[in-house]
Amino acid sequence: AQSVTQPDIHITVSEGASLELRCNYSYGATPYLFWYVQSPGQGLQLLLKYFSGDTLVQGIKGFEAEFKRSQSSFNLRKPSVHWSDAAEYFCAVVGASGNTPLVFGKGTRLSVIA
Amino acid sequence: DSGVTQTPKHLITATGQRVTLRCSPRSGDLSVYWYQQSLDQGLQFLIQYYNGEERAKGNILERFSAQQFPDLHSELNLSSLELGDSALYFCASSRSGAPANEKLFFGSGTQLSVL
Repeated sequence: AQSVTQPDIHITVSEGASLELRCNYSYGATPYLFWYVQSPGQGLQLLLKYFSGDTLVQGIKGFEAEFKRSQSSFNLRKPSVHWSDAAEYFCAVVGASGNTPLVFGKGTRLSVIA
Repeated sequence: DSGVTQTPKHLITATGQRVTLRCSPRSGDLSVYWYQQSLDQGLQFLIQYYNGEERAKGNILERFSAQQFPDLHSELNLSSLELGDSALYFCASSRSGAPANEKLFFGSGTQLSVL
């Protein structure tokens, strides 16, 4: 069964600094990969997704993620963090069939300081 | 606003009780998913319905049950509640029920506290 590991529980960055959130997946084939963001008191919102093709995926709010098959990773990046990016970020995976429900990692909480 | 409505937003009850959580999907969405979010377990998939029928089942306890009605709203029933059932329960909806091909739209959740 597929699984997702987000090694960092909590990350703090300064506003304007770059950001990288790590995600490692476990799956026998190439899965479908997603990043979702959860702002305080809100539900989850899709940032970006990877199905196939170009391994660098652009998303909303200036985020991007890179799929690296050799490392089983799908790390989320942003060149310059804004205070409004403070939230919980979840990596998720769906198996190659595409029909199984999303499996989420435990999330990484991002704090942004001035 | 995602278009997915969950009620109530907060629910406080006692151990042994039964509660019902309600979810109205986005207009036109046929599939509803239920997730449980807790600090120790993270986001756990419970169950999925598509057009009134159960499509997938995850880590849902036997004390929990769900259904999707003809108008496509869904209810999650939690019975014989235990302290460990305290969590944030999310509902999400999608058009066709194939998560790889479309994004899920999440409600704001129901915070359940079992005292």
